[in-house]
Amino acid sequence: DQQVKQNSPSLSVQEGRISILNCDYTNSMFDYFLWYKKYPAEGPTFLISISSIKDKNEDGRFTVFLNKSAKHLSLHIVPSQPGDSAVYFCAASKGNQGGKLIFGQGTELSVKP
Amino acid sequence: ETGVTQSPTHLIKTRGQQVTLRCSSQSGHNTVSWYQQALGQGPQFIFQYYREEENGRGNFPPRFSGLQFPNYSSELNVNALELDDSALYLCASSSEPAGVLGGELFFGEGSRLTVL
Repeated sequence: DQQVKQNSPSLSVQEGRISILNCDYTNSMFDYFLWYKKYPAEGPTFLISISSIKDKNEDGRFTVFLNKSAKHLSLHIVPSQPGDSAVYFCAASKGNQGGKLIFGQGTELSVKP
Repeated sequence: ETGVTQSPTHLIKTRGQQVTLRCSSQSGHNTVSWYQQALGQGPQFIFQYYREEENGRGNFPPRFSGLQFPNYSSELNVNALELDDSALYLCASSSEPAGVLGGELFFGEGSRLTVL
């Protein structure tokens, strides 16, 4: 039972363009959503998060959008840079179980110069 | 400020053996969570430790067990290893049990376990 899904295993984008990574979830009890980035041979690092009471959160080049009615969130990276090439994981948590994150399968982003 | 460190980074075991993985949490963090990441998948929550007690567990059998020490470091023990236990094991620390409310988990680089 995959509660958090990232249906695109990979995405290729030209440098300077927008990257859009998508994530769907099934559990309406989730109230906090996060994006992590992972480079090879490194642990995941936190990128950006959003509470379920918001529909948008922005941090520099990164913006996360949440559509609760569709149970969908997306991460926008503008402009994309070659250093953004990594695997991106969407994750969700509920209530006071913040340490128990439910991760998606990940999307490998490749930004071409 | 030191980050989360894990050891060993790589190890190979045979089916039926036992393994212990270690994790030192980030300075100032008192909560440790363990995750298993199989190839091509996202990390899966195993359990969390807070103040030396298990504070939440995922869908893993009892042969997965853990410890947290007074200095907040932690161990993950897996008994009777199976081939499907081959994975990257990630440790993450946080400054409170909830972890992500207003913050996030800080992950180590992981321990890559291969079971033959």
